[in-house]
Amino acid sequence: GENVEQHPSTLSVQEGDSAVIKCTYSDSASNYFPWYKQELGKRPQLIIDIRSNVGEKKDQRIAVTLNKTAKHFSLHITETQPEDSAVYFCAASRGGTGGFKTIFGAGTRLFVKA
Amino acid sequence: GAGVSQSPSNKVTEKGKDVELRCDPISGHTALYWYRQRLGQGLEFLIYFQGNSAPDKSGLPSDRFSAERTGESVSTLTIQRTQQEDSAVYLCASSFVPGLAGSNEQFFGPGTRLTVL
Repeated sequence: GENVEQHPSTLSVQEGDSAVIKCTYSDSASNYFPWYKQELGKRPQLIIDIRSNVGEKKDQRIAVTLNKTAKHFSLHITETQPEDSAVYFCAASRGGTGGFKTIFGAGTRLFVKA
Repeated sequence: GAGVSQSPSNKVTEKGKDVELRCDPISGHTALYWYRQRLGQGLEFLIYFQGNSAPDKSGLPSDRFSAERTGESVSTLTIQRTQQEDSAVYLCASSFVPGLAGSNEQFFGPGTRLTVL
């Protein structure tokens, strides 16, 4: 079945450093790759997403890269701040006639130390 | 406008009882998802509804789990004969399906925390 693997499970960085989270997916028909941030006790919220026809997308301090051949994608957070501390989930889904069933990775708990 | 709402926010039940969880999606969102999140774990896909198409039930863990949705409105997730391992937060999300070029952002509800004693 479809699977999304996410690494690392925990990441601790110093404020101002960069953080990188990596995911791989198994369903070659996946064409939409969102990233969600979940703060403690809150619901997940979308922070950035990318479609399979794009290799990279950037939004201020956040960027996502996609390698469709290798079936992996990564989240890059630069100049990390304490408020970036949260759990980050990657996901993969397919659109069109296959619907948008979404498979999430297990999550990465990011700690940004002030 | 209002976001996704879920009820109840908390449910404590005894093992063997049935429970029904409700999700009100954002108006106009044709897609609706149910996920299960155990403590400290990721989001486990349960079921997906898209418009009037047959739902994708491939994530339901057993035949004790079922879900319904009437048109593009409210959905209910039913768990029969609850077990202790069913204890988790059940999250509902809805999205607008824009086609192949746009974002398919899922808007999550606050979840229902289910505790099975």
